[in-house]
Amino acid sequence: DTGVSQNPRHKITKRGQNVTFRCDPISEHNRLYWYRQTLGQGPEFLTYFQNEAQLEKSRLLSDRFSAERPKGSFSTLEIQRTEQGDSAMYLCASSSEGSEQFFGPGTRLTVL
Amino acid sequence: DQQVKQNSPSLSVQEGRISILNCDYTNSMFDYFLWYKKYPAEGPTFLISISSIKDKNEDGRFTVFLNKSAKHLSLHIVPSQPGDSAVYFCAASEAGGGADGLTFGKGTHLIIQP
Repeated sequence: DTGVSQNPRHKITKRGQNVTFRCDPISEHNRLYWYRQTLGQGPEFLTYFQNEAQLEKSRLLSDRFSAERPKGSFSTLEIQRTEQGDSAMYLCASSSEGSEQFFGPGTRLTVL
Repeated sequence: DQQVKQNSPSLSVQEGRISILNCDYTNSMFDYFLWYKKYPAEGPTFLISISSIKDKNEDGRFTVFLNKSAKHLSLHIVPSQPGDSAVYFCAASEAGGGADGLTFGKGTHLIIQP
């Protein structure tokens, strides 16, 4: 399967814990995006990378959120000191120059 | 402040008839628009897009219409099929080709009745 993959698919954590999600984009795609989707809403853009450079991070929800793409391939999204309001689906997408964004299946986070 | 609005949370259409999903936007800087389809437990899947320099784009059963003066776009599906039952999201971008982050509407749940 050559689509976007995300791991884990589900994560349950306790409030205050740190969590990290991984996204593997389509191999030839140089752009990678993170979104958050809460119940009844559309995906909300968080940040994006072109190769290893993070070109937009002002939309990250707070300083508890950070993302990396160290070698321009896979990416991680970390949430520190999780809160119940962080419970959501976290989506990753990738694209190449001039192409639409292809989404992964998402990681569902539940903060207890 | 919703910059992309899908005012119909759900829409029910009989199989074989036309489905029309609507989307309005407020940001005049948007110049590229997309429709995504989402099944439960899956990520959104790209359907069709349109640049602001066009007013119509067609791909098989799917046609997107853009009315820039009204800041309105619509997705037409004809004929509707049972597999079209899903949530449809309208999305927009300020950068050409959607290279930056997309702004999504809340989605419309399309139900195709047999």
